[in-house]
Amino acid sequence: GAVVSQHPSWVICKSGTSVKIECRSLDFQATTMFWYRQFPKQSLMLMATSNEGSKATYEQGVEKDKFLINHASLTLSTLTVTSAHPEDSSFYICSARTPSIEQYFGPGTRLTVT
Amino acid sequence: AQSVSQHNHHVILSEAASLELGCNYSYGGTVNLFWYVQYPGQHLQLLLKYFSGDPLVKGIKGFEAEFIKSKFSFNLRKPSVQWSDTAEYFCAVNFKAAGNKLTFGGGTRVLVKP
Repeated sequence: GAVVSQHPSWVICKSGTSVKIECRSLDFQATTMFWYRQFPKQSLMLMATSNEGSKATYEQGVEKDKFLINHASLTLSTLTVTSAHPEDSSFYICSARTPSIEQYFGPGTRLTVT
Repeated sequence: AQSVSQHNHHVILSEAASLELGCNYSYGGTVNLFWYVQYPGQHLQLLLKYFSGDPLVKGIKGFEAEFIKSKFSFNLRKPSVQWSDTAEYFCAVNFKAAGNKLTFGGGTRVLVKP
């Protein structure tokens, strides 16, 4: 099946700094990628839809100025957590959608803000 | 708003027992249905999907699911589980009316005792 990678897999940063997470579709082109957040022992919550060449669409309650999304190419989307705070600590997962609307998920990035 | 519910949060069973996990979704017009599995420490993997046609869908690793349109359900089954089936299982629904975004159920943690 299709492969999606994320980098880094784990990051620790200080409060107030920004962190960038990359999501790549390795063997297919994805015009649409998604960013999810997963809290411990909970399900995935969609944060935003990333569209190549256009602005991301954010879900209700997600601060677009805090979670900056850039879909620079058909194989790369980035999520930047700006001015991170401890409450932003979480597991962030991206997915890439194929033309047949199946989504393939990355391995996730664990963010810890100290 | 569209929603997906999974009836069981935790399931514990012995090897060779049969497994059935419930999934119901709110009415939302045309849907595509998925079951994902997340093994400990790993990323989400697609188990099976339903788009159209035969409502009984067979997936990987001996899993199958049945779409019952009248009940808005898409239950997952496996006749005989193995210890390696210990994982968290997520039902997800793509509601076309919501822009082809996946909505996840809360997940079911399955523990198979050897």
